[in-house]
Amino acid sequence: KQEVTQIPAALSVPEGENLVLNCSFTDSAIYNLQWFRQDPGKGLTSLLLIQSSQREQTSGRLNASLDKSSGRSTLYIAASQPGDSATYLCAAGETSGSRLTFGEGTQLTVNP
Amino acid sequence: DGGITQSPKYLFRKEGQNVTLSCEQNLNHDAMYWYRQDPGQGLRLIYYSQIVNDFQKGDIAEGYSVSREKKESFPLTVTSAQKNPTAFYLCASRGLAGGRYNEQFFGPGTRLTVL
Repeated sequence: KQEVTQIPAALSVPEGENLVLNCSFTDSAIYNLQWFRQDPGKGLTSLLLIQSSQREQTSGRLNASLDKSSGRSTLYIAASQPGDSATYLCAAGETSGSRLTFGEGTQLTVNP
Repeated sequence: DGGITQSPKYLFRKEGQNVTLSCEQNLNHDAMYWYRQDPGQGLRLIYYSQIVNDFQKGDIAEGYSVSREKKESFPLTVTSAQKNPTAFYLCASRGLAGGRYNEQFFGPGTRLTVL
């Protein structure tokens, strides 16, 4: 059974800092990997989706990488802003692509 | 404006009652999902459906039921058999074609509290 772990559970940084959030998964036979953002009391917003054949995806200040062989993905946030404060979740898609297994998230606080 | 709607936003239930949570999407997505989120935790899959009139149990289906009579709608019933129903419930959908193939999109959630 796939297990997804996110470290650290919480992170506090000053505004302007570049940062990396980590996601690891136990079964490397994933179909894809998706990163989400969740604001308090809200639903999830999809940030990036990396297909299993890809190494990375970029959207604005966000860059997500995928290394299937080591069971790891990272989300890089450049020049962090207070508006980036939220919980970030990663989810591994199973081989058919039909189901996602979620990590518990990293709660990010960017201080002005 | 395409998206996923969930209603109600807040729901209160007495012990022993069944309640139904609504989820509607106008994204023309084939697959739909129900997740449960408890404080400080990730999401756990309750049920999912990949086509109309078909659905599969997720990891925590006990005490829940679903139906998929229309492509746009995937209601979730929380029955009195669910021992700890107080949680945040999230509905999602996934497209099987197009530019954002296989990406899951989420609704705003329903917070259920048992009194």
